[in-house]
Amino acid sequence: GAVVSQHPSRVICKSGTSVKIECRSLDFQATTMFWYRQFPKQSLMLMATSNEGSKATYEQGVEKDKFLINHASLTLSTLTVTSAHPEDSSFYICSAPASTEAFFGQGTRLTVV
Amino acid sequence: AQRVTQPEKLLSVFKGAPVELKCNYSYSGSPELFWYVQYSRQRLQLLLRHISRESIKGFTADLNKGETSFHLKKPFAQEEDSAMYYCALGRGSTLGRLYFGRGTQLTVWP
Repeated sequence: GAVVSQHPSRVICKSGTSVKIECRSLDFQATTMFWYRQFPKQSLMLMATSNEGSKATYEQGVEKDKFLINHASLTLSTLTVTSAHPEDSSFYICSAPASTEAFFGQGTRLTVV
Repeated sequence: AQRVTQPEKLLSVFKGAPVELKCNYSYSGSPELFWYVQYSRQRLQLLLRHISRESIKGFTADLNKGETSFHLKKPFAQEEDSAMYYCALGRGSTLGRLYFGRGTQLTVWP
């Protein structure tokens, strides 16, 4: 199947700084990618839809200025958590559709200290 | 509003026993339902989708619109089936835009 890769797998940052997470489709092109957030022992929550060449579509309650999404090419979407706070610590997962299913990245564990 | 409910957080069975992971959904449109599985230290991967009506690794799931359910079943569980299982609802016409249930951790004992 298609492969989606996230980088980094883990990141620790200080409060107030920004951190960027990359999501790449390795062997296919994706005009749309999705960003999810998963709290410990909870479900995945869709944050936003990343659209190549246009603005991302955010789900209700997700701060677009806090979670900046850029989808500059057909194989790369980035999520930047700006001015991170400890409550932003979470597991962030991206996915991209290919053919008839969505393929998921391995996730990025963000810890804000 | 869309909602996916997986009532069991944890489920344990012995090898060879039947297993059923429950999933109920709430959606005003025509639902598109999936089961995803996450094995230990691996990424989420698709197990089944309701439109294919297929059996994967011995698992089946039937969409029951009357009961708004999409339960996952396997007649004889295996130890390698131990994993986290998520029921997911497709949102809108965009493939991959999913609403997930909280997941059920299945443990199959030898």
